[in-house]
Amino acid sequence: QLQLQESGPGLVKPSETLSLTCTVSGGSISRSDFYWGWIRQPPGKGLEWIGYTSYSGNTYYNPSLKSRVSISVDTSKNQFSLKLSSVTAADTAMYYCARRFYDSSGYYSPFDYWGQGTLVTVSS
Amino acid sequence: QSVLTQPPSVSAAPGQKVTISCSGSSSNIGNNFVSWYQQLPGTAPKLLIYDDNKRPSEIPDRFSGSKSGTSATLGITGLQTGDEADYYCGTWDSSLSAVVFGGGTKLTVL
Repeated sequence: QLQLQESGPGLVKPSETLSLTCTVSGGSISRSDFYWGWIRQPPGKGLEWIGYTSYSGNTYYNPSLKSRVSISVDTSKNQFSLKLSSVTAADTAMYYCARRFYDSSGYYSPFDYWGQGTLVTVSS
Repeated sequence: QSVLTQPPSVSAAPGQKVTISCSGSSSNIGNNFVSWYQQLPGTAPKLLIYDDNKRPSEIPDRFSGSKSGTSATLGITGLQTGDEADYYCGTWDSSLSAVVFGGGTKLTVL
């Protein structure tokens, strides 16, 4: 059974860079048909897609966040990471990592496996 | 303001049926598959419906999905108190080149 687990600082100062890691267990991150992504949810609000990447480095970012976001994969640790720069209070949210898959016909699945989430607060 | 529009809340009695709507446009729902997620209080979202109307094997057939034009609907029959949760629709938006979600609907089982 695939499992995803987020980790990282729960408190980040304004203007700094938010860095989170998602550790994947129960399966390999190095499959060409998997995409690894991040979704966030501000307290009491809805879901917002941040972006996703394949292990080979094909990345897709939310245009509204693209200038501040970077998602990368570390196959040696079976992990992938999120970096969000120049954070403000508006970036305070629960951050979820998740998986989707892709097939050669161009089909993308929805996010079928999710981590439990980690709360990040932006405050001085 | 979400790209996909859902009612903020719906309610029904135990054993009854409820539907949750998700309205979009030709750039998202109209030309891409819709999925639905259930988020129980204090937990991560869980995939409920994918490809408009398919259920993962572990999801009971009380949950169903449908789509017509630029709108999608989630149906839940035989409501149980354990179904109280927030429900989100999601899809790809070809104009925005982004995954988009609805604002979420809170289901109350009275």
